[in-house]
Amino acid sequence: GQSLEQPSEVTAVEGAIVQINCTYQTSGFYGLSWYQQHDGGAPTFLSYNALDGLEETGRFSSFLSRSDSYGYLLLQELQMKDSASYFCAVPNQAGTALIFGKGTTLSVSS
Amino acid sequence: GAGVSQSPSNKVTEKGKDVELRCDPISGHTALYWYRQSLGQGLEFLIYFQGNSAPDKSGLPSDRFSAERTGGSVSTLTIQRTQQEDSAVYLCASSFPPGTGTSYEQYFGPGTRLTVT
Repeated sequence: GQSLEQPSEVTAVEGAIVQINCTYQTSGFYGLSWYQQHDGGAPTFLSYNALDGLEETGRFSSFLSRSDSYGYLLLQELQMKDSASYFCAVPNQAGTALIFGKGTTLSVSS
Repeated sequence: GAGVSQSPSNKVTEKGKDVELRCDPISGHTALYWYRQSLGQGLEFLIYFQGNSAPDKSGLPSDRFSAERTGGSVSTLTIQRTQQEDSAVYLCASSFPPGTGTSYEQYFGPGTRLTVT
């Protein structure tokens, strides 16, 4: 089967840096995605890593190590608006739908 | 352009009733997905449509759940004889065929919050 593990909660202050880890177990691997979901809102795509290494998009970066079945989302210069849930996800074995982790709730305080 | 839309936004129903949830995907997206999100949980895959191919129904939790997609566009998720454990937010997403380009990016609608009393 496929499963993903990520911390349930992370807290940080404005301006800080936070890292949200994700470990996965999959039958076949296509890549690791990250989604952001504000309370009551729709999940929105943040990043996708198919190859090892770091991908940077503005204040957010995502890292993947396929040999360790591990990835992380790095959020820099935290702002209050970054308070949300963050989900890692991998395509299912068929490479069609996504399997999501249970999400990490990030709370940013001033 | 318009994003994924879903209706209704909220639905309260009595146990045992049938409900229909609607999803209108982004124009041009051939792939459509339904997910379920229970309070404080991740997203649970339900069903996947891609073009005219047979849908992947492997995530449907019971035979009370069914979905169809008419004309390769609008989709309806039907839950028959609703139970209290069906209470959740039902999310629809659409995309280009999975793996197109370099990502598996899906675009989500705002969801339908279903409450079964």
